[in-house]
Amino acid sequence: GAGVSQSPSNKVTEKGKDVELRCDPISGHTALYWYRQSLGQGLEFLIYFQGNSAPDKSGLPSDRFSAERTGGSVSTLTIQRTQQEDSAVYLCASRAGTTLTGTQYFGPGTRLTVL
Amino acid sequence: GQQVMQIPQYQHVQEGEDFTTYCNSSTTLSNIQWYKQRPGGHPVFLIQLVKSGEVKKQKRLTFQFGEAKKNSSLHITATQTTDVGTYFCAGGSSYKLIFGSGTRLLVRP
Repeated sequence: GAGVSQSPSNKVTEKGKDVELRCDPISGHTALYWYRQSLGQGLEFLIYFQGNSAPDKSGLPSDRFSAERTGGSVSTLTIQRTQQEDSAVYLCASRAGTTLTGTQYFGPGTRLTVL
Repeated sequence: GQQVMQIPQYQHVQEGEDFTTYCNSSTTLSNIQWYKQRPGGHPVFLIQLVKSGEVKKQKRLTFQFGEAKKNSSLHITATQTTDVGTYFCAGGSSYKLIFGSGTRLLVRP
């Protein structure tokens, strides 16, 4: 596909369970970002990948959150022991590596609901 | 840390009226980007401004970047119902974009 894809589109889980959210960036895009958007709010930066490394993890809210990227492509955001305040839409974006501040292309997001 | 403030939070206009949203950064930006998010959708890139004092137009949309590269505005002339959504500015200083909180535009037909 031509765009960024994310799966699942919706995830309902029980408090205390672990969840994994997946992002498939645009092919060839070396930069990948994860954001969180709570209902009616702006985008909260979580983590930035350049290739497989994450030079900026400063936005991860707690040590329950982690992310990895393999093969310079797919990324997985893992939330352990989910809490109700983790409920939000998790957005992934990718950017071509040619300029640091080029356009970010967003995926459709994963809506996470923690009961 | 760097902050990007955006006002107003909401704007409710009659179709045909103009609309403006303003963005201010606490630090000088290398560029500013604007995104639109339709209800239930994801942010979609609209435009990027790089030069001090730059003005760009896209049909009824006019984007400005301040002389000091710390503020920006988006103006929509004669709004239409298709303009409904949340408009975000995002300030860049290196690899990172700091998003404003967005302005939600509602248009009464």
